[in-house]
Amino acid sequence: LAKTTQPISMDSYEGQEVNITCSHNNIATNDYITWYQQFPSQGPRFIIQGYKTKVTNEVASLFIPADRKSSTLSLPRVSLSDTAVYYCLVNDYKLSFGAGTTVTVRA
Amino acid sequence: EAQVTQNPRYLITVTGKKLTVTCSQNMNHEYMSWYRQDPGLGLRQIYYSMNVEVTDKGDVPEGYKVSRKEKRNFPLILESPSPNQTSLYFCASSLEAAHYEQYFGPGTRLTVT
Repeated sequence: LAKTTQPISMDSYEGQEVNITCSHNNIATNDYITWYQQFPSQGPRFIIQGYKTKVTNEVASLFIPADRKSSTLSLPRVSLSDTAVYYCLVNDYKLSFGAGTTVTVRA
Repeated sequence: EAQVTQNPRYLITVTGKKLTVTCSQNMNHEYMSWYRQDPGLGLRQIYYSMNVEVTDKGDVPEGYKVSRKEKRNFPLILESPSPNQTSLYFCASSLEAAHYEQYFGPGTRLTVT
């Protein structure tokens, strides 16, 4: 089971771009990388998933370098409502969410 | 509406009194799992099920049991709850194994006194 390492917390201001980097040195060939967002007392919500290079959807972008040992979630122009915990997962049949990164967006 | 439901949402019980938290999904998903969430520890997987009749331990299975007799239901059983099982519990499901988007239930807040 690949382990992930991500920062415990990050602070930002409204309108800025937030980039969260996750390290997954032992990722396996078949593993995908997935990011989830969680608000207090709610279940996590899927944000984005990728295998390599770059993936973009309406809320975020995911950058994965060629060696796939890390990935970066990019949240463009954050707002106060983006304050949440963000989890990086390397997909396996056993999912380990870890403590995630608490992102606090200030006005 | 596609969803994962859990019952009860809140439960206060006493040490040793057996309880079951139900989880049901209406999306015909193969994969289901249970997590507990404690302050500062993130989400930790308790058990998962790849499909009917196939279950396996996650990271923190001690003190819990599960069963998967039918595709839509995946109950979590605490045979003899203890105070260290006081936590927020989430059930989740996905189309197949972990490769797919996980859909989470609303959570069950359990207090064991």
